[in-house]
Amino acid sequence: EVQLVETGGGSIQPGGSLRLSCAVSGFSVRNNCMTWVRQAPGKGLEWVSLIFSRGTTYYVDSVKGRFTISRDESNNALFLQMNNLRAEDTAVYYCARGESYSGYAMDVWGKGTAVIVSS
Amino acid sequence: SFVVTQSPSVSVAPGQTASISCAGDNIGSKTVHWYHQRPGQAPVLVVYNDSERPSGIPGRFSASNSGNTATLTIARVEAGDEADYYCQVWDIRDDHPSVFGTGTKVTVL
Repeated sequence: EVQLVETGGGSIQPGGSLRLSCAVSGFSVRNNCMTWVRQAPGKGLEWVSLIFSRGTTYYVDSVKGRFTISRDESNNALFLQMNNLRAEDTAVYYCARGESYSGYAMDVWGKGTAVIVSS
Repeated sequence: SFVVTQSPSVSVAPGQTASISCAGDNIGSKTVHWYHQRPGQAPVLVVYNDSERPSGIPGRFSASNSGNTATLTIARVEAGDEADYYCQVWDIRDDHPSVFGTGTKVTVL
């Protein structure tokens, strides 16, 4: 079964760090474009970061230099290392798969993990 | 980065047609995907590559992309179509290859 399960969210003070994980089953994280999308409370979707199968990474400007996307091919997992967290990073974070044949549209999503940044 | 604007809300009676627009400068030169999201749930892909439907998405959903506007059309609207709808603009040539629209709340009267 194709499935994504995010973990690692929680409450953290501003300036702190969290590492989100996305366990992938039913397909190889190495062979797909994997994306992190977040949604602040009551707000819309925001694309955060992606990693292509060849390893190229991209970030939204607001997280550049603070967040790092990576993958573990042996454990078939995706990660988002989040450093120097700010209140505006508070959101539900989703991981999603995009396949090249569909223009990297995100056809499989996890249920999300909540990150709350507050003092 | 590319700016994408959607109208905040659309109200439609059951059985009627809803149109949701996604506006951006020369958006027709880019690839657009559409998602719906019900409260408390993850988004679901409803259209990819401007006008293609994933398996399991009914033919009532159609879309187009040209000029400065991409449009998602929902024919014969049902109560279950009530959700937030987001366009996602994709351009691999850009430093920020992906951006979401601001979202449109579809209310079925």
